[in-house]
Amino acid sequence: AQKVTQAQTEISVVEKEDVTLDCVYETRDTTYYLFWYKQPPSGELVFLIRRNSFDEQNEISGRYSWNFQKSTSSFNFTITASQVVDSAVYFCALRGRLQKLVFGTGTRLLVSP
Amino acid sequence: DTAVSQTPKYLVTQMGNDKSIKCEQNLGHDTMYWYKQDSKKFLKIMFSYNNKELIINETVPNRFSPKSPDKAHLNLHINSLELGDSAVYFCASSQGQTSGRADEQFFGPGTRLTVL
Repeated sequence: AQKVTQAQTEISVVEKEDVTLDCVYETRDTTYYLFWYKQPPSGELVFLIRRNSFDEQNEISGRYSWNFQKSTSSFNFTITASQVVDSAVYFCALRGRLQKLVFGTGTRLLVSP
Repeated sequence: DTAVSQTPKYLVTQMGNDKSIKCEQNLGHDTMYWYKQDSKKFLKIMFSYNNKELIINETVPNRFSPKSPDKAHLNLHINSLELGDSAVYFCASSQGQTSGRADEQFFGPGTRLTVL
């Protein structure tokens, strides 16, 4: 069975703070993919990153960075110097052998000025 | 240059009615999906089609019937709508397993269905 856990339901920060969104996954597949999607208040789902299970290299994209650790089955997402526009619901997702994405329950990030 | 489009964006209807939501992608992808997002924001896959063939069919009431006339379109028909069907329905597409960019799913803007 595949499962994604995002234990943080909601996080509130003040602008310019750094914030980390946690994601823990479960799968028996040896090959799998991990994703992060952003859902801003407008409702669309925006792809942020994809990682395959053989690539544990951390990635940085501007203020965003991702920390993939197979040993702890985690794929955490950090936003540095958060901005109000970062306010959204963030979903972590897992895809194993089958095509379907299994999503976590999402973390709502509120960034106040 | 819309990649994945859905119509309508909003749909308000009475219980018991039959309705359809249309989805089209112009990305040349082989695989398309329907997801349901409930009021608590929980996203769950419903169906997936690869080259017009059904490959994923989750535990969904048979009132929901997807139809893929060609690989660029995946429509969702819902019979005898119930209150619990109220949700946002997202269509998505991906290249499929044959491409190095497999699994990156692009989502449509969503259709908010409200059943009264």
